[in-house]
Amino acid sequence: EAGVAQSPRYKIIEKRQSVAFWCNPISGHATLYWYQQILGQGPKLLIQFQNNGVVDDSQLPKDRFSAERLKGVDSTLKIQPAKLEDSAVYLCASSLSLLETQYFGPGTRLLVL
Amino acid sequence: QKEVEQDPGPLSVPEGAIVSLNCTYSNSAFQYFMWYRQYSRKGPELLMYTYSSGNKEDGRFTAQVDKSSKYISLFIRDSQPSDSATYLCAMGKTSYDKVIFGPGTSLSVIP
Repeated sequence: EAGVAQSPRYKIIEKRQSVAFWCNPISGHATLYWYQQILGQGPKLLIQFQNNGVVDDSQLPKDRFSAERLKGVDSTLKIQPAKLEDSAVYLCASSLSLLETQYFGPGTRLLVL
Repeated sequence: QKEVEQDPGPLSVPEGAIVSLNCTYSNSAFQYFMWYRQYSRKGPELLMYTYSSGNKEDGRFTAQVDKSSKYISLFIRDSQPSDSATYLCAMGKTSYDKVIFGPGTSLSVIP
């Protein structure tokens, strides 16, 4: 079974630029999560989708971050404009449903200069 | 006070040792407790999942939850170099609530 795919794996941008990350969850998984993991910290949930609907985006900085899940499958997370403090690993995870185990992708490592 | 705390380590042990990893938390509403393992430059993977207080064993791994003390532990017996990773505790109020992760403890098992 293929795992959660993410791209790109690494991205370096300058502050105030825009960046987008892509996630392809495990086939059949209805729930998709985006986490931000800053160096030395645990992952922090940014947004959670159930199919193509948002379940929880309470910790998403909506003035600069946006996310969508087209057709309830792939998802993109965008930052516009980026700040220095956005430097982190952005992890995507998926699960069969809200009650099931989350499977994480390898993450996208973002460096904002 | 942070919701979930862990000693960041690094913790270094010889191969074959028993490892004890711990987390404390402040919110008594947490009912579901998890341990994840994260290898360098990889995403976390679920190791153990427990509900409420008590012990759960899976092979070389044992998870303990003491809700009265707001304290959870993960024990690794006969530790192996392949156990070298960061261990993240995580918890939720309900099985469908968002998961709150601790900052992780870095473990090195020396051959």
